[in-house]
Amino acid sequence: EAGVTQFPSHSVIEKGQTVTLRCDPISGHDNLYWYRRVMGKEIKFLLHFVKESKQDESGMPNNRFLAERTGGTYSTLKVQPAELEDSGVYFCASSQKPGGWYEQYFGPGTRLTVT
Amino acid sequence: GNSVTQMEGPVTLSEEAFLTINCTYTATGYPSLFWYVQYPGEGLQLLLKATKADDKGSNKGFEATYRKETTSFHLEKGSVQVSDSAVYFCAGNAGGTSYGKLTFGQGTILTVHP
Repeated sequence: EAGVTQFPSHSVIEKGQTVTLRCDPISGHDNLYWYRRVMGKEIKFLLHFVKESKQDESGMPNNRFLAERTGGTYSTLKVQPAELEDSGVYFCASSQKPGGWYEQYFGPGTRLTVT
Repeated sequence: GNSVTQMEGPVTLSEEAFLTINCTYTATGYPSLFWYVQYPGEGLQLLLKATKADDKGSNKGFEATYRKETTSFHLEKGSVQVSDSAVYFCAGNAGGTSYGKLTFGQGTILTVHP
C-alpha cells in the first residue's frame, strides 16, 4: 500500500510568487491534515479535511493560504503571494478516521524556501 | 489551549547508552499522547502512543508512560543504537471537537555515535 506522498519535495521561490503544494493521502483515508514546521520550531496544525469538506481550518495563518481537496482525494495548498516567513517544511497526513486512537500517517514533507 | 513542552536538544549519546527525552503536556481534557520519529530524508512515523492515564506505549525498545499526575510522557530507551539517530517529536491530541488535530513539541535531535 502506498503511503502519503507530497510534491514537490523542495521548492524555492521568490517573495511575491505563488506556490502550490500537493498531497496524495493513503487511498481510502477520508481525513487529511496539513501541518507546518517553521525554522526548527514545533510542527503546527494548519487544517483538517474530512473528504472534501474543511473540518477545522483554525491553524491557517492568513488569507494568503488556500487549501482545497476537490473530490475528496488529493489536496493542494496554495500560497499566494508568498512571504519570507512562509519558509518551512509543510507536512501532510491522513488517517482513516479522526480521533486520537487512529494513527495519522505523514508524508515526507515539502520544504519551501522563500527568498 | 493545549500545549506540549519537549526537552530541547540536541542530544548526543554513545551506542548502548540510556536515553530519556522529557515531554510534558497541558490540556483541558484528557489527550491521547504520541511520540513520532523522523529519520533523515523521511516523513514522520508514529513510534508509540498512549490513549489514557497509566497506559504505557512501547515499540522498538522505546517506552513512554502516560503520567496524569505529572502530565508527562517521557520517552525512554535502555540501550540506543546508531540507527536510532533521528528527530523525535512528542505530540498530543485533545480529542473531542479537535478531531485528531495534533499539538507537537519542538522536536529533539538525537545523534548516537558508535
